Amino acid sequence: KNQVEQSPQSLIILEGKNCTLQCNYTVSPFSNLRWYKQDTGRGPVSLTIMTFSENTKSNGRYTATLDADTKQSSLHITASQLSDSASYICVVSDRGSTLGRLYFGRGTQLTVWP
Amino acid sequence: EADIYQTPRYLVIGTGKKITLECSQTMGHDKMYWYQQDPGMELHLIHYSYGVNSTEKGDLSSESTVSRIRTEHFPLTLESARPSHTSQYLCASSARDRLDEAFFGQGTRLTVV
Repeated sequence: KNQVEQSPQSLIILEGKNCTLQCNYTVSPFSNLRWYKQDTGRGPVSLTIMTFSENTKSNGRYTATLDADTKQSSLHITASQLSDSASYICVVSDRGSTLGRLYFGRGTQLTVWP
Repeated sequence: EADIYQTPRYLVIGTGKKITLECSQTMGHDKMYWYQQDPGMELHLIHYSYGVNSTEKGDLSSESTVSRIRTEHFPLTLESARPSHTSQYLCASSARDRLDEAFFGQGTRLTVV
């Protein structure tokens, strides 16, 4: 069964600190992995996307890593800001259907305190 | 920011009422999707469309229906709303050659009382 598991479920950090969010998946055949940021009451917004051959990708203070062998990804946020408070969702796409089916994790709820 | 819009953003409605959630995109995308998301839970695909006059049911069974008469418009209808339909509904779209790159609307938070 294709699954995406994220940890931790929730995380509280102080402004200016770094943090790392984890994503493990069993989706096969793997196409790509994307991290989304979802503010409360809003739709998800894409942060990064990585294919099988990519190990790391950065978008400003967000850096995502991918280990396709162990089927693990992480999202590292540096120098956190209050606006980083949101749910971060790991989404994995497979190559097994014309739909390009997306498998969603439940997200990590990040709260940044001043 | 993606050009995909959902209305209304919030809706509180009584049991038994008929409602339509609107979704429009101006990117010319062929593929459109409806997801349902409960608090703290993952998104579940309830409907999708490959293009005009194409609609399919998703992974999660839903009593809602959809239509795709125009490329840019993908409304979702509930004929008789029930409290169990209370949830957040997210619309998304993707281009023909980028099936895995979905752009999301801001969502409609539906509460049925």
